[in-house]
Amino acid sequence: DVKVTQSSRYLVKRTGEKVFLECVQDMDHENMFWYRQDPGLGLRLIYFSYDVKMKEKGDIPEGYSVSREKKERFSLILESASTNQTSMYLCASSFSGTGGSMNTEAFFGQGTRLTVV
Amino acid sequence: KNEVEQSPQNLTAQEGEFITINCSYSVGISALHWLQQHPGGGIVSLFMLSSGKKKHGRLIATINIQEKHSSLHITASHPRDSAVYICAAYYNTDKLIFGTGTRLQVFP
Repeated sequence: DVKVTQSSRYLVKRTGEKVFLECVQDMDHENMFWYRQDPGLGLRLIYFSYDVKMKEKGDIPEGYSVSREKKERFSLILESASTNQTSMYLCASSFSGTGGSMNTEAFFGQGTRLTVV
Repeated sequence: KNEVEQSPQNLTAQEGEFITINCSYSVGISALHWLQQHPGGGIVSLFMLSSGKKKHGRLIATINIQEKHSSLHITASHPRDSAVYICAAYYNTDKLIFGTGTRLQVFP
């Protein structure tokens, strides 16, 4: 059974803290993604990685960084958490395709609901 | 601009009803995902299609390339189908563009 696992379901952090969200996949996927989901806005891409040590900014990278030292693990880092980063964070992974071919089906983690107080 | 639009935003139904959720997109997609998100957050892939029709149990997904439109149908709906359904498209990259989702509630 394929799996994308996020390290926490719920997190509460204080403003200014450094926050790490971890994601691990066991499918040997090349691509990994971090999204945030807010009411009325849908899923928005924060960062994307298509290979180890490779990363690409998504639509809303400000205030975030990422790390991919191993193929199976993709970490999202909030350098100094702020209240406007309170959100649901979702990780996903997929095989690398030729621009969204049928073998690039995305698999999602269970989500981390982060509250910054 | 590559976009994905879904309708309706919210949908309520009585158990047993036939349900349709619509998704429209811009020209040039390479494939389209239908996803389901239950309360609690996890997202599950229901279908991925680039043409025609796919069926899995009571769920049917269709796509009309000429009309740039896809539909997700649920036959004989059940309260356990209550969830948010999300349409997402690939525009010749490995990155998905998401619709804002349709919140479905099925009452007994």
